[in-house]
Amino acid sequence: AIQMTQSPSSLSASVGDRVTITCRASQGLGNDLDWYQQKPGKAPKLLIYAASSLQSGVPSRFSGSGSGTNFTLTISSLQPEDFATYYCLQNYNYPLTFGGGTKVEIK
Amino acid sequence: QVTLRESGPALVKPTQTLTLTCTFSGFSLRTSGVCVSWIRQPPGKALEWLARIDWDNDKYYITSLKSRLTISEDTSKDQVVLTMTNMDPADTATYYCARAKLGGNSGTFDYWGQGTLVTVSS
Repeated sequence: AIQMTQSPSSLSASVGDRVTITCRASQGLGNDLDWYQQKPGKAPKLLIYAASSLQSGVPSRFSGSGSGTNFTLTISSLQPEDFATYYCLQNYNYPLTFGGGTKVEIK
Repeated sequence: QVTLRESGPALVKPTQTLTLTCTFSGFSLRTSGVCVSWIRQPPGKALEWLARIDWDNDKYYITSLKSRLTISEDTSKDQVVLTMTNMDPADTATYYCARAKLGGNSGTFDYWGQGTLVTVSS
C-alpha cells in the first residue's frame, strides 16, 4: 500500500496567517490526491481534489499544488472556521490511504 | 439532495460479527459510475479506507482486512451493507459511508454520512 506522510502533525497559527501543510507519498501519484477538512465530531469535508481543483463551495483561500510524490495544501489567510484537522488522501490506487492528519490550532 | 446515513449497533462483543448499513438518497447505485465506500476512524486517530462497491457490483477491499470484510448492496432499498467478522477492541471506531464524486476519481468523496460509533467491548 502507498504510504502517505503528512507534516506537520500539528501547528499553531493566528487568524490571518498563511498556513501550509504537506503530504509526501511513498510512490508517484500523478495528481491523484485529495485534501479533506474535519472538525470534531463531524464527517470529513472535501476541499481539494486532483491535487489542485477546488471543490464547489469551498472558499478560494484554500489551494492545493503538487504532483508525483509531493503535495501541498495552502490556506492563504486563516479564518476562525478553519481551525480543524486536515487529511490528504491518495486515490491513485487501491487500497486508498490517508495521511496521518494535521491539526491546526489557535495560537 | 444527496444524503447518506449509517446505522448499526453501537456496541459489539469481541469475536462477534458487525453489520453496518448505509442508507442513501438522491442517487442510485444502479447508475453508471456510482461508487460507495466505507471509511473508519478510531477515536483520536486518522481515517482508514475499508471497502468500495460500484454500480456494476465490482468490489474492492483494504488488503489487511480483506478476509474479514464483505461489502454488498441492496439496490431495492438504496442501501450498502458492510459486514466485518471477528470484531476486536482495535476495531472500535466511527464508521462512515461516502459516495464518490460523480464523473471524477472513484476515490474522491464529496458526500459523507454523519458516521456511527461502534465500540467493541465485552
